[in-house]
Amino acid sequence: QAVVTQEPSLTVSPGGTVTLTCGSNTGAVTSGHFPYWFQQKPGQAPRTLIYDTSNKFSWTPARFSGSLLGGKGALTLSGAQPEDEADYYCLLAYSGARVFGGGTKLTVL
Amino acid sequence: EVQLVESGGDLVQPGGSLRLSCSASGFTFSSEAMHWVRQPPGKGLEYVSGITGNGGSTYYADSVKGRFIISRDNSKSTLYLQMTSLREEDTAVYYCVKDKRAVISRPGFDYWGQGTLVSVSS
Repeated sequence: QAVVTQEPSLTVSPGGTVTLTCGSNTGAVTSGHFPYWFQQKPGQAPRTLIYDTSNKFSWTPARFSGSLLGGKGALTLSGAQPEDEADYYCLLAYSGARVFGGGTKLTVL
Repeated sequence: EVQLVESGGDLVQPGGSLRLSCSASGFTFSSEAMHWVRQPPGKGLEYVSGITGNGGSTYYADSVKGRFIISRDNSKSTLYLQMTSLREEDTAVYYCVKDKRAVISRPGFDYWGQGTLVSVSS
């Protein structure tokens, strides 16, 4: 059973930059895991931000970007805004299985 | 505008059954795969099940395999999740999620519904 790991919590200053990561217990995360990133604010449904490592949707703010970094999937937020405070989840694909990470609680303070 | 509206969540006793529905609009329903993802209260997301656009192929997480059945009625633009032998650990908000593709061979989540709460308790 694959396990996907994320930082439990991170803090970023308004206007600052932060990188969230998404690791796998099976080894390096690659584009073949099709990393996805989701944002969830309190009391709301998740929203998909990034697909297939680095691709954005029309609603994805330009300050978010996805990449592979050091054997992990990565979500970088450049120029953090107060409204970016939320939980962020990544998802990796393993053959047919889709496994979510435990989530990162991002505080903008 | 894509809209996904879940319904059917309820309080049910352990061992009971429940059917969730997801009514879709704003896109060609039969052209896209669909999924169910759940979130226990205060916890993270868990992938539950997926079905191809034509309904010909399905996938289930090990935690629900043999107990849940995903299906769809493309004539009604509706996705279903039939849940049986429910356990307390199935308590969660269940989200309907649209895929960008017709297949489920790779992830393709884009739009999410608002979710419906299933509570399993005696």
